[in-house]
Amino acid sequence: EDQVTQSPEALRLQEGESSSLNCSYTVSGLRGLFWYRQDPGKGPEFLFTLYSAGEEKEKERLKATLTKKESFLHITAPKPEDSATYLCAPTDSGYALNFGKGTSLLVTP
Amino acid sequence: NAGVMQNPRHLVRRRGQEARLRCSPMKGHSHVYWYRQLPEEGLKFMVYLQKENIIDESGMPKERFSAEFPKEGPSILRIQQVVRGDSAAYFCASSRDTNTEAFFGQGTRLTVV
Repeated sequence: EDQVTQSPEALRLQEGESSSLNCSYTVSGLRGLFWYRQDPGKGPEFLFTLYSAGEEKEKERLKATLTKKESFLHITAPKPEDSATYLCAPTDSGYALNFGKGTSLLVTP
Repeated sequence: NAGVMQNPRHLVRRRGQEARLRCSPMKGHSHVYWYRQLPEEGLKFMVYLQKENIIDESGMPKERFSAEFPKEGPSILRIQQVVRGDSAAYFCASSRDTNTEAFFGQGTRLTVV
């Protein structure tokens, strides 16, 4: 059975303290891996799509990378507004996303 | 350009009643997906639809749940004879094509009392 594990479950950072979130997956025949952020009470907000090992995408303070077994979301100099739950979702079908449980990030001033 | 619209945002139903959740995809999107998020659990895929067709319903419970995406109007997720275990947040997403970014609505939070 396909599995997705995100670590850590929760992360507390000081503003400006860079870190990385991990997403390990065992999805066979990966067609893509998606990153979303979710704020409390809201729907997931799309961040990135990665399609092949070695690919990297950047957006503001976020950078996502992909290997054959895991993906990392690097957060550089985070701000309090980056506080959210970050979800990764690999897919082997191209449409049914296998969401992990997420990493809950809190950035304090 | 409006995003994915779901309504209602909150729905309370008594055990045994029916729940109807509606989703209007983003303009230009013909692919619709429904997900369920139980407390303390991740989002789980339920069903994938295109206009008038169910493409994959492998994540749908076999009984009481159904989905449609008619030629005109929103996609509907219907839950008959709701039970307490159906209480969850139900999210709809839409995309222009498969294996491209899917955009999510704000969800419908169903509470069964």
